[in-house]
Amino acid sequence: EPEVTQTPSHQVTQMGQEVILRCVPISNHLYFYWYRQILGQKVEFLVSFYNNEISEKSEIFDDQFSVERPDGSNFTLKIRSTKLEDSAMYFCASSEEVGGQGDYGYTFGSGTRLTVV
Amino acid sequence: QKEVEQDPGPLSVPEGAIVSLNCTYSNSAFQYFMWYRQYSRKGPELLMYTYSSGNKEDGRFTAQVDKSSKYISLFIRDSQPSDSATYLCAMSALGGQNFVFGPGTRLSVLP
Repeated sequence: EPEVTQTPSHQVTQMGQEVILRCVPISNHLYFYWYRQILGQKVEFLVSFYNNEISEKSEIFDDQFSVERPDGSNFTLKIRSTKLEDSAMYFCASSEEVGGQGDYGYTFGSGTRLTVV
Repeated sequence: QKEVEQDPGPLSVPEGAIVSLNCTYSNSAFQYFMWYRQYSRKGPELLMYTYSSGNKEDGRFTAQVDKSSKYISLFIRDSQPSDSATYLCAMSALGGQNFVFGPGTRLSVLP
């Protein structure tokens, strides 16, 4: 069964540093997403990406964040000048249709646990 | 009022029990509804997907949507210890590009 792959599984970084979280979406999917989940809290939408540009973003996704699809397979989330409150699980997801509205919804990766110290 | 609400649990049931998980929501524009299962330290895994009101069944799982009451349910029949996880509801308005997730209900099925 196709999977969304995320690396690394766990990243520890010092406050103020930049991190890049990497994702390889399912190959025939066209829509890509980043969500985050702070420990004990709900999954929150960050950004969606289609046709090499951001199609929607949440209030959380401010200038500190950026996304990129540098080649045909990878989808990255960059967080600049990390803060303690950026510590969370970051999930990448992909879908065949907009908003995951086909029968398959989104497919999520297993996440990257980011710890900012 | 939060946009999507779920009882956080934990909900503990004996193996073989019928489990009922529920979400309420406030946005009447929501049309697409999903249920995800999330094991500890893993990404959410899609269980059920429904559009608008009605029921949908897949194996031991049944999803119900009542848009008039802004209430959705997931039923798990013959629950197994492997069903122990956090169950997340998620929903989206027609044409929306992102889903709003509930906070999740933690389920524990005891052998």
